[in-house]
Amino acid sequence: KAGVTQTPRYLIKTRGQQVTLSCSPISGHRSVSWYQQTPGQGLQFLFEYFSETQRNKGNFPGRFSGRQFSNSRSEMNVSTLELGDSALYLCASSLGTGTYEQYFGPGTRLTVT
Amino acid sequence: KNEVEQSPQNLTAQEGEFITINCSYSVGISALHWLQQHPGGGIVSLFMLSSGKKKHGRLIATINIQEKHSSLHITASHPRDSAVYICAVSPVGSNQFYFGTGTSLTVIP
Repeated sequence: KAGVTQTPRYLIKTRGQQVTLSCSPISGHRSVSWYQQTPGQGLQFLFEYFSETQRNKGNFPGRFSGRQFSNSRSEMNVSTLELGDSALYLCASSLGTGTYEQYFGPGTRLTVT
Repeated sequence: KNEVEQSPQNLTAQEGEFITINCSYSVGISALHWLQQHPGGGIVSLFMLSSGKKKHGRLIATINIQEKHSSLHITASHPRDSAVYICAVSPVGSNQFYFGTGTSLTVIP
């Protein structure tokens, strides 16, 4: 069974631009969660989607948004990029959340200059 | 305020030593997860616990729900165990994860 894939793996953007990251979950998994990891803040929850519905959102500004498609693939978008958005963005898929094991993708490393 | 506290932050051990990493949390949870992250970023889920104890090879994870505390033990540590170990909790009634700051483990041959 193929694992979670994320594209692109690396990305360099300029302040003010927007970016879209993609996550393809493990086949059969309907939950996709997104996380931001920075050296200063560690891992932080962005949002979780289940069957195309956002079920929860972390404490991030509205510039961070996401969506999930009918095939469970998910995208997250960051608009008006700031230097502080430079981070490793990870997605994880699972059959559900809470008491289900999460399977992480390799991450997308975003650098904002 | 951190919902999840881990200790120690950094740990250096000699190969073969017994290692313990601790995690305390302040919210009611439906499950606690131990994650391993190697340099380069990839995260692997080691354990998911809602009660008791689990063992996988040289790794053992325990949880005490009443005390809101979990431990991850590594027996006969090996240099390949060198990684960051992260504790994460799923609060009851929420689909949001809260993460500890991680424990950076280095095992010296």
